[in-house]
Amino acid sequence: AQSVTQPDIHITVSEGASLELRCNYSYGATPYLFWYVQSPGQGLQLLLKYFSGDTLVQGIKGFEAEFKRSQSSFNLRKPSVHWSDAAEYFCAVALNSGGSNYKLTFGKGTLLTVNP
Amino acid sequence: ETGVTQTPRHLVMGMTNKKSLKCEQHLGHNAMYWYKQSAKKPLELMFVYSLEERVENNSVPSRFSPECPNSSHLFLHLHTLQPEDSALYLCASSQDQGRQFFGPGTRLTVL
Repeated sequence: AQSVTQPDIHITVSEGASLELRCNYSYGATPYLFWYVQSPGQGLQLLLKYFSGDTLVQGIKGFEAEFKRSQSSFNLRKPSVHWSDAAEYFCAVALNSGGSNYKLTFGKGTLLTVNP
Repeated sequence: ETGVTQTPRHLVMGMTNKKSLKCEQHLGHNAMYWYKQSAKKPLELMFVYSLEERVENNSVPSRFSPECPNSSHLFLHLHTLQPEDSALYLCASSQDQGRQFFGPGTRLTVL
């Protein structure tokens, strides 16, 4: 069964510092990969996704992620964190559940705290 | 604003109550999903509806009953819930490969 692991439950960084959130997956083939962000009291917002092609993916809000097949990883990065980036971040993989619809399997999430 | 709305945003109910959660998508998508988000657990997919037919039910207890009357609306009917059912229930919709748009969720507390 496919699984998604986010090893870091909680990360604290200072505003302006760089950020890397880790994500590893376990799946037989290269899945579709996603990062979502959830601000307090809000639903999930898609940051970026990888389907195929260039392994470095650019997303919204200055985030990027790099797919590394050899490491089964899809880590999220941002060069300079802003206080508004404080939120919970979820990595997800997609499995085709029939037709054009995909079932997402999520990691447990990483809570990001940003210090001023 | 993702184009997916959920009502109510907060719900407190007793174990003997019957209530319903509503989700509406304004994106013209053809699939809708219910997820459960509990504290310190990964999001759990509960139900998938594609073209208004239920295509997936992930071993969800019968006290949760989904309904999809049309491609824009999805309901989750709740009956005789348990305190461990307290969670954030998220609705999502999609049209293509895995690109799901999520609503803000309904925070459910079962007393």
